[in-house]
Amino acid sequence: DAGITQSPRHKVTETGTPVTLRCHQTENHRYMYWYRQDPGHGLRLIHYSYGVKDTDKGEVSDGYSVSRSKTEDFLLTLESATSSQTSVYFCAISESRGAGVLYEQYFGPGTRLTVT
Amino acid sequence: AQKVTQAQTEISVVEKEDVTLDCVYETRDTTYYLFWYKQPPSGELVFLIRRNSFDEQNEISGRYSWNFQKSTSSFNFTITASQVVDSAVYFCALSEGSSNTGKLIFGQGTTLQVKP
Repeated sequence: DAGITQSPRHKVTETGTPVTLRCHQTENHRYMYWYRQDPGHGLRLIHYSYGVKDTDKGEVSDGYSVSRSKTEDFLLTLESATSSQTSVYFCAISESRGAGVLYEQYFGPGTRLTVT
Repeated sequence: AQKVTQAQTEISVVEKEDVTLDCVYETRDTTYYLFWYKQPPSGELVFLIRRNSFDEQNEISGRYSWNFQKSTSSFNFTITASQVVDSAVYFCALSEGSSNTGKLIFGQGTTLQVKP
């Protein structure tokens, strides 16, 4: 199994508060991703990273920011949480080989976030 | 625009029945990758298979088989002699080669319930 951990695993927070979710990998993979899972939508990409300090937006990036200061850590921040951000958040990593990407992603265990 | 459709929201079968999960995709890329993931009730996402667009050979892995047909833009997944442990949500996903970042576009998922 790929070494991916997420913290916290569960969190309840109030509307308007900042929240940071952490993804940590021990695989030294170049690519890291944040997805959210909601009923009826499958998983949707929030942000991704293709290297240290290199990040880009995904499909549903509004209200979220990310940072990657080390290869092993990818942080997702909700600057001011809203009820619409109640979801399960998954981090994923992908191995790269040379200039390309291997494409299969391995997922962390998920973080269940509830915004009240 | 890229899209993945899993028209079957829920499927219920009795143990030992065969079941096919449908996946239809849309992409303009000539190089792309298709995936299936399994999400059991425990919530983790388990990678099952990756298929490249230039390889239409079907694949079998134990009770699992995958039928890739470019002519109909489909990548269907069949479980033979289903078991209760196969009960899960199954996701089909697409990654376009032109993005070079491995971003995944997921279908909405199919919930499979296998009854004893």
